[in-house]
Amino acid sequence: DAMVIQNPRYQVTQFGKPVTLSCSQTLNHNVMYWYQQKSSQAPKLLFHYYDKDFNNEADTPDNFQSRRPNTSFCFLDIRSPGLGDAAMYLCATSGLLRSEAFFGQGTRLTVV
Amino acid sequence: DQQVKQNSPSLSVQEGRISILNCDYTNSMFDYFLWYKKYPAEGPTFLISISSIKDKNEDGRFTVFLNKSAKHLSLHIVPSQPGDSAVYFCAASAQGGSEKLVFGKGTKLTVNP
Repeated sequence: DAMVIQNPRYQVTQFGKPVTLSCSQTLNHNVMYWYQQKSSQAPKLLFHYYDKDFNNEADTPDNFQSRRPNTSFCFLDIRSPGLGDAAMYLCATSGLLRSEAFFGQGTRLTVV
Repeated sequence: DQQVKQNSPSLSVQEGRISILNCDYTNSMFDYFLWYKKYPAEGPTFLISISSIKDKNEDGRFTVFLNKSAKHLSLHIVPSQPGDSAVYFCAASAQGGSEKLVFGKGTKLTVNP
């Protein structure tokens, strides 16, 4: 059974049109992360939530926002997608004391 | 500035032989290291980890070695199987947990039958 679920798996959006990616988890983990991975690159942490506390990475563009309305769900909002935002977006969770993160299958974002 | 480096983008081995995947890091504050495996169109899945208090951790066919003085770790897969063909990511954390994982770029392993 999938424990970290990302929807949709594939998303095509127009240049400049806001888009939202979603992530849900059944693990009841306190920490949720969003990573961006471009082809042949390392996954890059955008931000994470520690319970309700939001932690933004210093180099995450303002164009990227996140919401976590409850423990189970987390959203990634891209306010004005550019061509350079085309990537795989990975959601992951971890428990407070667990050392491993569980990843969803990712959402492949295409910007046209 | 890449803190976790996987200098080999790809590795090809024969089935039954040993696969050795390497990872170097620059941040001396890293104290927990993980390997993830990723198949195409899927998210990374956790494989094995090691704390900086150890120099070796073994789980079945997978063994991770840590050389703190060299800031180097390696993943050994013995024997390699075709199903091991995937991209392997090395990741590190500075706080003992995965709150902030820093990933390498990955090494694509191909195991030939």
